This record gives sequence, C-alpha cells and structure tokens, in this order.
Amino acid sequence: GENVEQHPSTLSVQEGDSAVIKCTYSDSASNYFPWYKQELGKRPQLIIDIRSNVGEKKDQRIAVTLNKTAKHFSLHITETQPEDSAVYFCAASMASGGSYIPTFGRGTSLIVHP
Amino acid sequence: KAGVTQTPRYLIKTRGQQVTLSCSPISGHRSVSWYQQTPGQGLQFLFEYFSETQRNKGNFPGRFSGRQFSNSRSEMNVSTLELGDSALYLCASSPDSTGNTIYFGEGSWLTVV
Repeated sequence: GENVEQHPSTLSVQEGDSAVIKCTYSDSASNYFPWYKQELGKRPQLIIDIRSNVGEKKDQRIAVTLNKTAKHFSLHITETQPEDSAVYFCAASMASGGSYIPTFGRGTSLIVHP
Repeated sequence: KAGVTQTPRYLIKTRGQQVTLSCSPISGHRSVSWYQQTPGQGLQFLFEYFSETQRNKGNFPGRFSGRQFSNSRSEMNVSTLELGDSALYLCASSPDSTGNTIYFGEGSWLTVV
C-alpha cells in the first residue's frame, strides 16, 4: 500500500519567516495531494490541494509544489503569523472503486513565535 | 449550511463492549468517510460510503464496520472494544462523487477503559 513520510515533525519559526513542510509518497498511482491544518482541539481543515497534472499551486501565502518523478510534494507558507500555529497533515490519495483512498503523513507541528 | 455533525462527542466504554458513532454530512453531500486519529498511528482511513454502498475500506479488522442510510447519514460500529481503539474518530463528507474534497466533523472522542 501507499506510504507517506512527512518532515519535519516539529517546525519552529519566527513570525514573518517562511515555513516549508515536505512529504514523500511511495505509490506512483497516487494523483491527488491535499494538505490539512488542524488547530488544537479542532477538526482538520483542507487548506490547499494539488493534482498530479499540476506542478505548483498558490493561494495567497500558501503554496504547494509537486515533483511526480521524485514522488515528493511540499507545503510552503510565507510571512508566517501566530495564527498559522497548528498541526499540518499531508495526504496522498489514489483512485479506487470510484473514490479516493487517502494515506496521511504523521503531521508537522508548526509553531510561529511572535 | 451546517457542517458535518458527529455524535456523541465524548464517550467512555469498557473493554469488550461495542460502540456506535453517528455522522450527519453536510446537506447535499453523498460521500461520507471515516477516519481514526491516534497519537501513535496518526490519521488513518477507515472506510468510505456513497449512496449507501461501501466503496473502500482501510486496513482495519472486521470489528470496525459502518453503514450509510438513504439520507446519507452514516454510522460506524466497533465491536469487542480494545484499549487500543481509544482514539478520535473523524467523519468527513464530500460534495463530489469521488469523495476527493472532504470536510471533517469535530470528531467523537472514544476512551476505552
């Protein structure tokens, strides 16, 4: 089955710095890569996603890049703010039976110091 | 629109008992999926339903089961509870038939003692 590795497990930055979280996946059949943000005690929320036919996608301060050949994708957050502090999960999803099966990374705890 | 609603939010069960968790998707969403979140194993896919049919199932023992009703509401059941089943169980719904873009509920915190 699919295996997703996510690094780092903890990332501490100063407000205004950039943050980069990286994920690698093992199965080339995965073709949908979402990122979720989970604040303490709250539900995970989709913040950005990318499909395998796209190399990069940006939404304001957040961007995701995908390298299909190397089987890795990354989340980039620029001009970090304290409210960006949360756990971020990546996922690699592959189509099966008419839907997608996601495999999640273990999460990165991002701490933004004011 | 109301979000994904899960009940109960918190529950404590004894080893060997069984538990049923309920999920009401966002209105109009027909795909419902379930996930288990633990500190040790992270976030893991349990199963996904669409139009009352289970389309996919994750790598969990047969003690974990689910169903979906004609109104898209879903339930999951865990029988013969083990201590390791203590977790946050998240339900998510999707507006598209592939179940790709998902919206999570707040989850049900299950503690097995």
